[in-house]
Amino acid sequence: NAGVTQTPKFRVLKTGQSMTLLCAQDMNHEYMYWYRQDPGMGLRLIHYSVGEGTTAKGEVPDGYNVSRLKKQNFLLGLESAAPSQTSVYFCASSYSYSGYTFGSGTRLTVV
Amino acid sequence: EDQVTQSPEALRLQEGESSSLNCSYTVSGLRGLFWYRQDPGKGPEFLFTLYSAGEEKEKERLKATLTKKESFLHITAPKPEDSATYLCAVQALDSNYQLIWGAGTKLIIKP
Repeated sequence: NAGVTQTPKFRVLKTGQSMTLLCAQDMNHEYMYWYRQDPGMGLRLIHYSVGEGTTAKGEVPDGYNVSRLKKQNFLLGLESAAPSQTSVYFCASSYSYSGYTFGSGTRLTVV
Repeated sequence: EDQVTQSPEALRLQEGESSSLNCSYTVSGLRGLFWYRQDPGKGPEFLFTLYSAGEEKEKERLKATLTKKESFLHITAPKPEDSATYLCAVQALDSNYQLIWGAGTKLIIKP
């Protein structure tokens, strides 16, 4: 049982480049989330989804887009990367009122 | 404004020295309070959910308690493998399933 799988694990981008982070879960969870984690700031919600085909903005959505075309996948896109987007990105999934299951993270550096 | 504050930011203990971590919260109505453990380079790992004041949950050397304003994570006779960052999060009744996260307490257990 893989749980939540994130790819890639590491990535270095140049300013202005684009990329997509993939999150896949095999627990049939309805809810999926993208967070970023920065030192001293804790986890901040970027976007989330309450079901296939739905997405919503979180606390820090600017500069990011998401899609949930299939229930098991949640994609996070950066259209034009900026150094301020250097961070560790975590995907998570859950049932409605349960604890979250997190992936192992993607460490992104924008130079 | 809904808020979660964890203290202390860091805690160093000798192996076997029991202590407690604090999570204070302000939320309009509490649906649940969650404790997670995060090891370096990994995603947070779910530990406990508490739903109402007076509730307690235990797992090995960890015990979580909840009052109307705060939660404690008690660590009894810790071992070096308990070293990690412990995160607290709350889910409000009107949150649309989102969690509000504290910044975490970094726990170091010295042999």
